[in-house]
Amino acid sequence: GAVVSQHPSWVICKSGTSVKIECRSLDFQATTMFWYRQFPKQSLMLMATSNEGSKATYEQGVEKDKFLINHASLTLSTLTVTSAHPEDSSFYICSARDALAGGLYNEQFFGPGTRLTVL
Amino acid sequence: AQSVTQLGSHVSVSEGALVLLRCNYSSSVPPYLFWYVQYPNQGLQLLLKYTSAATLVKGINGFEAEFKKSETSFHLTKPSAHMSDAAEYFCAVSAEGGYQKVTFGIGTKLQVIP
Repeated sequence: GAVVSQHPSWVICKSGTSVKIECRSLDFQATTMFWYRQFPKQSLMLMATSNEGSKATYEQGVEKDKFLINHASLTLSTLTVTSAHPEDSSFYICSARDALAGGLYNEQFFGPGTRLTVL
Repeated sequence: AQSVTQLGSHVSVSEGALVLLRCNYSSSVPPYLFWYVQYPNQGLQLLLKYTSAATLVKGINGFEAEFKKSETSFHLTKPSAHMSDAAEYFCAVSAEGGYQKVTFGIGTKLQVIP
């Protein structure tokens, strides 16, 4: 149980284009999902917290208009990187909290990540 | 505010030797503590968590960690390393109670030498 998927697992795009990454909880309902960015040999940097049916909460320094987050259902959140540039190249990881269980202990279930390369 | 410090960005052990990965936390309120493992190009998997019950926590794959409030530590151990344990390990902390933000450490890369 508690499986989170991400799609695509990797993507290469041209500078100036937009890229959408999907995060799905496959066997549980996730009222809250999180989006992280991970640079090589570094820890996870929380970008935003996504709550189902409401606007995402962005961390300080993260551009809301550049990283659009939508959490329209209890099992799906999307991150759209708009007008991507080479400096946006990174490993993006989503995680989700089980609305019934994981939320009580702040446990998060992680997706496998998406490697974005912007040329 | 909360933070974690992982001592040693790289740790090397021989196969069969003791694994000890260090984590110290800072929290102004009682914490919950976690250890996650990440294999290359994958997401994080929970190894174990401390949620104010038993101070010695046993996790998956033979790992365990002990919460020591006096030392503000939550070190991860395994008696005998396997080659398959080679990965990146992250310590994380949140405030006690549900629906709190989790803060991750910088990670420790474990190398297992045959």
